[in-house]
Amino acid sequence: DAGVIQSPRHEVTEMGQEVTLRCKPISGHDYLFWYRQTMMRGLELLIYFNNNVPIDDSGMPEDRFSAKMPNASFSTLKIQPSEPRDSAVYFCASRPAQTGTIYFGEGSWLTVV
Amino acid sequence: DQQVKQNSPSLSVQEGRISILNCDYTNSMFDYFLWYKKYPAEGPTFLISISSIKDKNEDGRFTVFLNKSAKHLSLHIVPSQPGDSAVYFCAATPGNAGNMLTFGGGTRLMVKP
Repeated sequence: DAGVIQSPRHEVTEMGQEVTLRCKPISGHDYLFWYRQTMMRGLELLIYFNNNVPIDDSGMPEDRFSAKMPNASFSTLKIQPSEPRDSAVYFCASRPAQTGTIYFGEGSWLTVV
Repeated sequence: DQQVKQNSPSLSVQEGRISILNCDYTNSMFDYFLWYKKYPAEGPTFLISISSIKDKNEDGRFTVFLNKSAKHLSLHIVPSQPGDSAVYFCAATPGNAGNMLTFGGGTRLMVKP
């Protein structure tokens, strides 16, 4: 079975540009999560969806960040405009309704210069 | 304020010996705990979990112990193998739904041949 698929794996962009990260969760999983990993703050939850509906976005750092899930097999995390402090690894993850185990993608490494 | 703490950033162990990774938490609402393993350039991979109704859970070479009164859990790996070298994260959540995982900062385990 394919795991959580993220793209791009690496992105380098200039400050002020729009960045879109993409995620395909594991088929059949009802929950989708976006996490960010930085040296300073470790792994932190940004937002999660249940059945394509955003449930908790309290971890989204500011209005420059937005996330959508138009259908059960696709989600995006957008940063507009991007800033150097947004440089981090962004992980998408999903889980089925029946268990508490979350499965992570390989991450999108973002560098904003 | 860190609700989940892994006070040892790194641990070095000889192959064949026991590895003990520790984790402390402060939020008394946490009642489901997980350990994830992370290799470089990959996403975290679920390893083992434990519910607060138990004090021990075992899966092959991996055992997780939970001491609720001390708000402490530990992961034991016996025997340790070089392939176990990775960063280990503990995570906690209120309720076994697993949606609001709070991660510790991670411990880098190095198993020397």
